[in-house]
Amino acid sequence: AQSVTQLDSQVPVFEEAPVELRCNYSSSVSVYLFWYVQYPNQGLQLLLKYLSGSTLVKGINGFEAEFNKSQTSFHLRKPSVHISDTAEYFCAVSFGTSYGKLTFGQGTILTVHP
Amino acid sequence: GAGVSQSPSNKVTEKGKDVELRCDPISGHTALYWYRQRLGQGLEFLIYFQGNSAPDKSGLPSDRFSAERTGESVSTLTIQRTQQEDSAVYLCASRYTLAGKNTGELFFGEGSRLTVL
Repeated sequence: AQSVTQLDSQVPVFEEAPVELRCNYSSSVSVYLFWYVQYPNQGLQLLLKYLSGSTLVKGINGFEAEFNKSQTSFHLRKPSVHISDTAEYFCAVSFGTSYGKLTFGQGTILTVHP
Repeated sequence: GAGVSQSPSNKVTEKGKDVELRCDPISGHTALYWYRQRLGQGLEFLIYFQGNSAPDKSGLPSDRFSAERTGESVSTLTIQRTQQEDSAVYLCASRYTLAGKNTGELFFGEGSRLTVL
C-alpha cells in the first residue's frame, strides 16, 4: 500500500539548534517528494522538492532534505532554526502518477523557543 | 490572478444546510485539486480536475459531496445536507501540466474554513 508517515507530530526546539523532521513513505512505484510549510493563519507553500537528480535538495529559508531510496525516507533538516520557523510542516508524495496527485503526511508542528 | 483564490474564507452553517465553496485557480493551470484538512490532521485528497473533467473523484467521502469546474477556470465544491463531521478547512490547489512548465508543485489557496453547528 502507498502511504506517507511523519513520525513526529510535534517537535520543540530552542532557537539556533539544529532540527530534523522525519518523513517515510511506502511505495512500489517511483515517487516525487515534497515538503510544504504552513505558517499560522497562512496557506501552504512549497519548501523544496525532489523530482530527480541529486538526492540532496535545498529549499527556501535554509532548509534541505535528502532522498534515501533504500530507506524510503525524505527527512527535512535545518542546521540552525529561528523563531520564525515555527510552523506546521507537511511531507507529500506523488506516487508515480502522471497527474501529480499528492498524498500528504499528518504534519509535524515545529515550535522554536527562545 | 496572482495566486489561487478561495471563497468564502469562513463559512458557518447549520447542520442540514447546503454549502458551496469556490476556487479560482492560477491562470493557465489546467489541473485543479480539492483537499480537506480536519483539525489536527493532514490533508485529505477529495477530487482532481484536468480541464473540466474529473478523472479522479476517489476521495469524495460521500454522495453529499460534489464538484464541478467550468473549462480551465473556476471550480465549485458543493456539500449537501452538511453534517458536523464536515467541519474542516477545504483547500484548493492548482498546477501547470504543460511540458516544460510542470514542476510537480501544487499551488494552494488559503482555504475555506467550514464550521457546521
